Amino acid sequence: GQSLEQPSEVTAVEGAIVQINCTYQTSGFYGLSWYQQHDGGAPTFLSYNALDGLEETGRFSSFLSRSDSYGYLLLQELQMKDSASYFCAVRDRTGGFKTIFGAGTRLFVKA
Amino acid sequence: ETGVTQTPRHLVMGMTNKKSLKCEQHLGHNAMYWYKQSAKKPLELMFVYNFKEQTENNSVPSRFSPECPNSSHLFLHLHTLQPEDSALYLCASSQDGRNEQYFGPGTRLTVT
Repeated sequence: GQSLEQPSEVTAVEGAIVQINCTYQTSGFYGLSWYQQHDGGAPTFLSYNALDGLEETGRFSSFLSRSDSYGYLLLQELQMKDSASYFCAVRDRTGGFKTIFGAGTRLFVKA
Repeated sequence: ETGVTQTPRHLVMGMTNKKSLKCEQHLGHNAMYWYKQSAKKPLELMFVYNFKEQTENNSVPSRFSPECPNSSHLFLHLHTLQPEDSALYLCASSQDGRNEQYFGPGTRLTVT
């Protein structure tokens, strides 16, 4: 089967760095994405990794290790507006390239 | 504003009602999706349409019936729902072959 695991909640202070981990099990791994969702809002795409290594986009970076079936989202210089839920999602080529989402990590940023 | 709109934003319906959710994308994408989001659970993929053809039905009960008249519009017809169907229903679109999906704001559905 397919499954993703990520922590349910993380708390950090403004200005700090936080890492949200995601481990996955899938038979036809194609890539790992991250999405951000604020309360009452729509999920918005943050990043995508198909190859091992680190992808950086401004304050956010995403890392993938295919051999470990593991990835993380790194948020630097945290701001209050970063308080949101963060979902990892695996694109799986089994059955026609489905995207399977994790349950999400709720990030609380404190002053 | 992601270029994907959904109406209505909120819907309360009884178990014997029939209603429809509407999604429209203005991005020129050719794939559209319906997801169900319940509290503390992963986003659940319900249906996928590619070029107006349904390519995925993720074991969804028949009380949910999708319709895709063209590549810009997607509907979800609802009838005889159960209280456990109360959730946020999200529509998304993507360009076939591209990874990122663009989500609408969702319809908050409450079944009484």
